[in-house]
Amino acid sequence: GAGVSQSPSNKVTEKGKDVELRCDPISGHTALYWYRQSLGQGLEFLIYFQGNSAPDKSGLPSDRFSAERTGGSVSTLTIQRTQQEDSAVYLCASSSQLRGEGRFSNQPQHFGDGTRLSIL
Amino acid sequence: KQEVTQIPAALSVPEGENLVLNCSFTDSAIYNLQWFRQDPGKGLTSLLLIQSSQREQTSGRLNASLDKSSGRSTLYIAASQPGDSATYLCAVLDFGNEKLTFGTGTRLTIIP
Repeated sequence: GAGVSQSPSNKVTEKGKDVELRCDPISGHTALYWYRQSLGQGLEFLIYFQGNSAPDKSGLPSDRFSAERTGGSVSTLTIQRTQQEDSAVYLCASSSQLRGEGRFSNQPQHFGDGTRLSIL
Repeated sequence: KQEVTQIPAALSVPEGENLVLNCSFTDSAIYNLQWFRQDPGKGLTSLLLIQSSQREQTSGRLNASLDKSSGRSTLYIAASQPGDSATYLCAVLDFGNEKLTFGTGTRLTIIP
């Protein structure tokens, strides 16, 4: 398909286990974002990748969270030693860029359907 | 720190009515503002994006306005339909920042 693809769609795991969530962005999109949507918390930013630049990790909640983006395309979000408070929907988005007004302008972000993570 | 608020949190209206959803933000130094809809169990679908230099954008029955100086945006939906039922989220992109700050959304229900 032409949209952002995330896998798995649902993940249930035991507390303390590691999990990997995958995101396939739209082909040609240079920017990739991870967000987390928790009940009662709304959507919060986790991490942002732009081309070959160093990622913006300012939203990662703890050092148990990490993400990488290989070859400027697919991204993996890894959560180590999962805790119950990690239960949430993890959303990935991608966008293209245009240059204008002295900076790059990220075009509308296109979201995947998310991975619903449940920690028992 | 940017904060985005959406009021009301939930709204129910009869089919066919026009309605307005509200979004306010605390820091007016934004680059753009985006409205999304989210259906249950799904990701976000982008509806409209307004650049900071624009005052409104229209797509079909949807019209979004932006008053940057007062930190407000509205999403106007004309002739509402049951298929419009969803959660509507607004998000702002600040200058010098590449991450969206989201409001908590308005859950809209259109009553047939």
